Order: sequence, then C-alpha cells, then structure tokens
Amino acid sequence: DQQVKQNSPSLSVQEGRISILNCDYTNSMFDYFLWYKKYPAEGPTFLISISSIKDKNEDGRFTVFLNKSAKHLSLHIVPSQPGDSAVYFCAATFSGNTGKLIFGQGTTLQVKP
Amino acid sequence: DVKVTQSSRYLVKRTGEKVFLECVQDMDHENMFWYRQDPGLGLRLIYFSYDVKMKEKGDIPEGYSVSREKKERFSLILESASTNQTSMYLCASSPPDMNTEAFFGQGTRLTVV
Repeated sequence: DQQVKQNSPSLSVQEGRISILNCDYTNSMFDYFLWYKKYPAEGPTFLISISSIKDKNEDGRFTVFLNKSAKHLSLHIVPSQPGDSAVYFCAATFSGNTGKLIFGQGTTLQVKP
Repeated sequence: DVKVTQSSRYLVKRTGEKVFLECVQDMDHENMFWYRQDPGLGLRLIYFSYDVKMKEKGDIPEGYSVSREKKERFSLILESASTNQTSMYLCASSPPDMNTEAFFGQGTRLTVV
C-alpha cells in the first residue's frame, strides 16, 4: 500500500527550462512534506519542505506547491541546470509519527546541456 | 556541519553470513532510522529508534535486527544474509521535533553473493 506515489520514473528536460516533478499521497493525516535529492552512491540530501498550512514554499530555484484537496504536491526547478540531474524523492510525515518519513519511489531527472 | 557516517561505502558478503552495518551521528539526535533503497521502490523503512535501547519495526523488518546502545550509534544487523538483501542501505537521524527533515549518511551498497 503505497501512501506516497511518484508516478513518473523519469523526466528529461533541456537546460534552462522548467522541471516539474510530481507526487501524490493518500493519507489525509500527512501534514509535512519534503523533497530530497540523491546522486548515485550518495545519501539523499534535503532540498525543500512544506507544511500543510501552506500551499507554496520557495527557495531559490526550487518551489514546492501543495494542493491538499487533490492530495498532490509538485517540485518546480527553474531554470534547470545539468547539476540538477539526480533522483528526486518526495516524502511525507505527520505530527506524532515520531519523525518517520514515508517516501515515494523516486523520479530520475536528467537535465540536458 | 551535521554529519551521519556509515562505516562502509561498499560491502560484499556471502549468503548466510552475519552482517553488521554501523551508523554514527554527531548531532545528538534522538531519532535514528535504517532505510533500504531499491530501484522502483524508493526508500523503505526497516527499523527506527527514538531513544537509546528503544527500537520499533518499520515496514520491512524481516531478516534484520538493530542495536542502539549509545545515543550516537545505530547498528543494523543482517542475521543471515541472503541475496534478496542486496541493496543500498541508508542510515538517517533527526531531532525529536514533530515535523523536520532527517539527515542521511552516504549509504552502504551491500552485495550478497
């Protein structure tokens, strides 16, 4: 039972364009969402997060949008750079979950020069 | 700078061996986690610990056990390694705050032959 789903295994975009990575969730209790970036043979690194009381959070080139009614969030990267090529994981949790993060399957982003 | 360190980057073990994966964090975090990452499945929680000597099963605990004798160290034990435990193993830690990011180690690529 996958509570957090990333339905696109891969995405390819041109350098300078926008990358949009999507994530859907099923558990209405989730109130905190995160995006992690992972390079091969390295651990995931935290990118950006959003609380369920907000619908948008921005940090430089990265913006996360949350649509609670649709149980959907997305990560926008503008402009995309070749160094952004990595696997992106969406994760979710809720207060009282003891910090446990529930991860999606991941989306591999390739940014072409 | 926060740090989670896993004892090995790459490990090759034989079927039936007992395997120890060690993780140390220097952030004085209460929570520590072990995940495994497999293609198409994302990160799945094996075990977590919210305090010294405390542990709880995650989503896929079968074939694994853990030990947390000191706050900074969390060990994952494969009692009798099998080929289906070939995977990337990721340790993480986080403070006890309800909604916050977890910090990951660099990962251990374990191959069981």
